[in-house]
Amino acid sequence: EAGVAQSPRYKIIEKRQSVAFWCNPISGHATLYWYQQILGQGPKLLIQFQNNGVVDDSQLPKDRFSAERLKGVDSTLKIQPAKLEDSAVYLCASSPVLAGAYNEQFFGPGTRLTVL
Amino acid sequence: AQSVTQLDSQVPVFEEAPVELRCNYSSSVSVYLFWYVQYPNQGLQLLLKYLSGSTLVKGINGFEAEFNKSQTSFHLRKPSVHISDTAEYFCAVSDRGTYKYIFGTGTRLKVLA
Repeated sequence: EAGVAQSPRYKIIEKRQSVAFWCNPISGHATLYWYQQILGQGPKLLIQFQNNGVVDDSQLPKDRFSAERLKGVDSTLKIQPAKLEDSAVYLCASSPVLAGAYNEQFFGPGTRLTVL
Repeated sequence: AQSVTQLDSQVPVFEEAPVELRCNYSSSVSVYLFWYVQYPNQGLQLLLKYLSGSTLVKGINGFEAEFNKSQTSFHLRKPSVHISDTAEYFCAVSDRGTYKYIFGTGTRLKVLA
């Protein structure tokens, strides 16, 4: 079974530029998550999708971050414009069936973003 | 608000020695508890989870954890570590009411030869 795919693996941009990350979850997984992991910290949930609908985006900085999950499969997370404090690893995860507190989340390898 | 505390940011231990990684959470409601491991340049992988039932949970790679409701703890243990266990370990809590996952700040386990 293929795992969660993310691209690119690494990205370096200058502040005020825009950037996009792509995630393809495990086939059949209804729930998709985007996390931000700043160096030395645990992952912080940015947004959670159930199929193509948003379940939770309370911690997404909506003035600069946006995400979509068209057709309920793969997803794109965008930052525009980027700030220095956006430097982090962006993790995508998916889980099967419906969103649930007990569901294991399967993580992709992440995209490491450096903003100069 | 729910929070997870991993007091030890780094734990060095010699190979074949036992190890305990500590995790405490704050919650007045029922929770589900998880331990994830992150190897360098990889995503997180589930080690074990507590949903209900027996308070001693066994996971992959010889790890186990014990749920202690009175102390709101979920410490991770392994009786004998290997070099390959060197990684970052994250404790996570999921609130049964809101389904939100909260991760701790992680503990970097370094196994020394």
